[in-house]
Amino acid sequence: AQSVAQPEDQVNVAEGNPLTVKCTYSVSGNPYLFWYVQYPNRGLQFLLKYITGDNLVKGSYGFEAEFNKSQTSFHLKKPSALVSDSALYFCAVETGSTLGRLYFGRGTQLTVWP
Amino acid sequence: SQTIHQWPATLVQPVGSPLSLECTVEGTSNPNLYWYRQAAGRGLQLLFYSVGIGQISSEVPQNLSASRPQDRQFILSSKKLLLSDSGFYLCAWSGSWGGYEQYFGPGTRLTVT
Repeated sequence: AQSVAQPEDQVNVAEGNPLTVKCTYSVSGNPYLFWYVQYPNRGLQFLLKYITGDNLVKGSYGFEAEFNKSQTSFHLKKPSALVSDSALYFCAVETGSTLGRLYFGRGTQLTVWP
Repeated sequence: SQTIHQWPATLVQPVGSPLSLECTVEGTSNPNLYWYRQAAGRGLQLLFYSVGIGQISSEVPQNLSASRPQDRQFILSSKKLLLSDSGFYLCAWSGSWGGYEQYFGPGTRLTVT
């Protein structure tokens, strides 16, 4: 079975500090990994994805994520957080055996205070 | 560019009433289409997905059904709503699968009273 874990329900950081939102996965086969962001009462917005190749993936709004196969992780990072980054973040996985079906983590609420 | 629309944005319905939520995609052809439900502002549950007109796959047995009468139209329905059907319903599309990102609509907030 495919699954995604986001171990932290809430992450709080000060503006200007680096942020990390954690994601680990459990799949059979090679994963396709995604990060999405959701603002209140809105749909999800795609941030970035890992398919293959370079383990460090850069995405929208200055976010990046590092794929670590040995640790089965895909943590989302940003060097300097903004108050406007405050939102709900979702990690998701797709595999060759689940083509088209994304399995989402429960989400991590990021709060950046001024 | 591609856009995805959902309506209505909010809906309050009594228990036992029917439901019809609509999703349309513009600017692409033959998209994969998806319906998700998000409960309590957290995890997303895939309800249905479709790879073409009339082709619907259900992920979870429930009180809901989906139809795809046209290439870029996806409809979520129920004959009789339950209290447990309340939630935030999201439609999404992708160009294909195998590493293709999904693009989400603005969502419909359904409250069953």
